[in-house]
Amino acid sequence: DTGVSQDPRHKITKRGQNVTFRCDPISEHNRLYWYRQTLGQGPEFLTYFQNEAQLEKSRLLSDRFSAERPKGSFSTLEIQRTEQGDSAMYLCASSLGQTDTQYFGPGTRLTVL
Amino acid sequence: DQQVKQNSPSLSVQEGRISILNCDYTNSMFDYFLWYKKYPAEGPTFLISISSIKDKNEDGRFTVFLNKSAKHLSLHIVPSQPGDSAVYFCAASPKTSYDKVIFGPGTSLSVIP
Repeated sequence: DTGVSQDPRHKITKRGQNVTFRCDPISEHNRLYWYRQTLGQGPEFLTYFQNEAQLEKSRLLSDRFSAERPKGSFSTLEIQRTEQGDSAMYLCASSLGQTDTQYFGPGTRLTVL
Repeated sequence: DQQVKQNSPSLSVQEGRISILNCDYTNSMFDYFLWYKKYPAEGPTFLISISSIKDKNEDGRFTVFLNKSAKHLSLHIVPSQPGDSAVYFCAASPKTSYDKVIFGPGTSLSVIP
């Protein structure tokens, strides 16, 4: 399967714990995006990378959130000191370039108890 | 403040008939519009797009219409098939940042056999 993959698919954690999600984009794609989706809403843009450079961050991305793409391949999204409001589906997408179609992974569903 | 609106949370259509999904936007800087389809437990998949220089784009059973003066677009599916049952997201991006795709809340389409 050469699509976008995300790990884990589900994560249940207690409030205050740290969590980390991984995204593996389609191999030749330079751009990688993170979105968050809550119930009844569409995906909301969080941040994106061009290779290893993080080019833009949404105001939704508080100081507790950090994303990396160290070698321009896979990316991680870490949430520190999780809160119940962080419960959502976290989606990753990748594309060849700025104007190319974004291909989404299946998402990581986070539940904060 | 939602910049992309889909005012119908759900829609039911008989198999073989036309499905019309509507979308309104508020930001006049939006230059590129997309429709994504999402099945349960999967990420959104790209369906069809349209640039602001066009008013219609067709791909098989799917046609997107854009009315810039009304800031309105619609997706027509003809004929509708049971496999089309999914959540459909309207999305848009501004020419200043094609990467920053803004999604609507989605419309859940049910095609009844």
